[in-house]
This record gives sequence, C-alpha cells and structure tokens, in this order.
Amino acid sequence: GAVVSQHPSWVICKSGTSVKIECRSLDFQATTMFWYRQFPKQSLMLMATSNEGSKATYEQGVEKDKFLINHASLTLSTLTVTSAHPEDSSFYICSSFTSGPYEQYFGPGTRLTVT
Amino acid sequence: QKEVEQNSGPLSVPEGAIASLNCTYSDRVSQSFFWYRQYSGKSPELIMSIYSNGDKEDGRFTAQLNKASQYVSLLIRDSQPSDSATYLCAVRNTGNQFYFGTGTSLTVIP
Repeated sequence: GAVVSQHPSWVICKSGTSVKIECRSLDFQATTMFWYRQFPKQSLMLMATSNEGSKATYEQGVEKDKFLINHASLTLSTLTVTSAHPEDSSFYICSSFTSGPYEQYFGPGTRLTVT
Repeated sequence: QKEVEQNSGPLSVPEGAIASLNCTYSDRVSQSFFWYRQYSGKSPELIMSIYSNGDKEDGRFTAQLNKASQYVSLLIRDSQPSDSATYLCAVRNTGNQFYFGTGTSLTVIP
C-alpha cells in the first residue's frame, strides 16, 4: 500500500502556543488528504478534507481559524493547531486518498499534549 | 441512523478459530468498502478493500460484500493473538466521502 508519513510523531507544547503537523504522501500524489482526530478509546473523527491548491473543507463543529490546513502540493498537507489548549490534546492522524483504487492510507499519527 | 454501523464488541475468539466481523451501511449507492485494523495507540492500517458483490480473499482474510443487503463482513481464519485489535469498517460514496464505523474490538485468546 501507499506510504504516508507524519511529523512530528509526538509533541508537547504549552497552552497558548501553536503547533504545526506535517503530512506527506511519499510514493504517490494525493489530490486529497484528510485530517482526523481521535480521543482515547473513541472512534475517528474527521476534522477536514484538504484538496491540493484549494481551501480545506471543515466538518461541522471544527473551528477553521483554530485548525489551519494548508495543502500546498500533491505530496504535502499541514495542520496547524493555533493557540492550543489542554482540551486540544489528542491523537491527530492524516490520510491520503488515491484515485484509481480509491483507497485511503493513514499516516502514523501525531500525539499532541498541551500542558 | 449512522452511515456505517458495527457491533462494538468486544469479540473474543480462541487462537486458531475464525473471527467474523460485521458491518452494515445506509447509503445504497456506496461505491467501495474497506476494512482497517487499528492497534491500540496506532493509526488505522488498510487490510482489505472490496468493490463488487461476493468474496475477496487475501491470505487469512476474506471480505464479503452483499450490496442488496447493504452488508459487508470480514472473516479472519486461523486467528492469532497478533490479530487482537480494533477493526474499522469504512465506506466510500460517489463523492469520495468516507464514512467509518466505530470499530469492533477483537481479542484472540492464546
């Protein structure tokens, strides 16, 4: 299957600071990337859909000014958590979508802890 | 009604047995169907995809799709303790939107 990387794999930051998470599709060009959040023992929650060269589409209840998504190229999307608060602590996972097989491949995730 | 429904489990099977995981979906025109495995603390990993009615086998895994019944299942033969994980069913619609079930927790007992 396709390979998707995320960086960093874990990050600890102080309340009020911003954190940027990178998602790269390493062996294919992804016209669409998805960003998910998952709290412990809960299911995946889709935050936004990111299409290369256009603005991201956010799910209801997700603050677009707080979770900034940039999909500047076919292999890179970034999620910036601005003014992070402890309640933003979660497991953030990106995925890349390939047309043709129409499959979605997940990155390894970024565990964010806000103190 | 949720787009994709799964029994949350937990499902326990002895080592060597067949584990059967089930999923139903609500959108009749769904295009593609997927099973992901998620180990605790890790991200989901795609293990099977199926697009047409019938069975699709890959090693110890068999995915079964019945579009008339809006039902997709995953069978794991000769279950191993390493198969213990949460299994997510996902469905893609014509607009390339994906809907995930909440997952079924499987424990394979040695």
